[in-house]
Amino acid sequence: DVKVTQSSRYLVKRTGEKVFLECVQDMDHENMFWYRQDPGLGLRLIYFSYDVKMKEKGDIPEGYSVSREKKERFSLILESASTNQTSMYLCASRSSRVDTQYFGPGTRLTVL
Amino acid sequence: GESVGLHLPTLSVQEGDNSIINCAYSNSASDYFIWYKQESGKGPQFIIDIRSNMDKRQGQRVTVLLNKTVKHLSLQIAATQPGDSAVYFCAENKASWGKLQFGAGTQVVVTP
Repeated sequence: DVKVTQSSRYLVKRTGEKVFLECVQDMDHENMFWYRQDPGLGLRLIYFSYDVKMKEKGDIPEGYSVSREKKERFSLILESASTNQTSMYLCASRSSRVDTQYFGPGTRLTVL
Repeated sequence: GESVGLHLPTLSVQEGDNSIINCAYSNSASDYFIWYKQESGKGPQFIIDIRSNMDKRQGQRVTVLLNKTVKHLSLQIAATQPGDSAVYFCAENKASWGKLQFGAGTQVVVTP
């Protein structure tokens, strides 16, 4: 079974703080994704990585950056958290040979 | 069916009945479609997928139907159980590297 884990289920941060969200997958998948999920807006792609040290912007990259130093780990960084970044953050991974993306449990981030 | 807005469409189903969840997709060039189930507070869970060269695919208690003529996808759940209560959303493959475009979701409520 594919296992995608995220470092925190719930996180509360203050405006202006630097926030790190970590995602780890154990299936040697090449591709990894970060989404945010908001009521009424569905899942929106922030960034994705198709291999180690490779990254591409998704639909809403503003205010975020990412890091992929190892194949199994993909980090989402909020350089200076703002209240409009309060959301559910979901990580997913995928083998480059198949289309199915597998999701982690999500991190609910609240920025005060 | 799927729609964008603040309130998810809701399907109320009696336990034991069959459920049909509908989804309209946008891109006639999409070649892969997938259904996810998301329980409250959890990440999306893969249910079933289908490629565009198929019209129907069956899994355990679930069937996905694809009508490319009208760009419509449906998920049928047989003998719906209380554990099937969740948000269900479809996604279509928008790019060769696996970018998925997600629908807003349908809330399924199973009543006794």
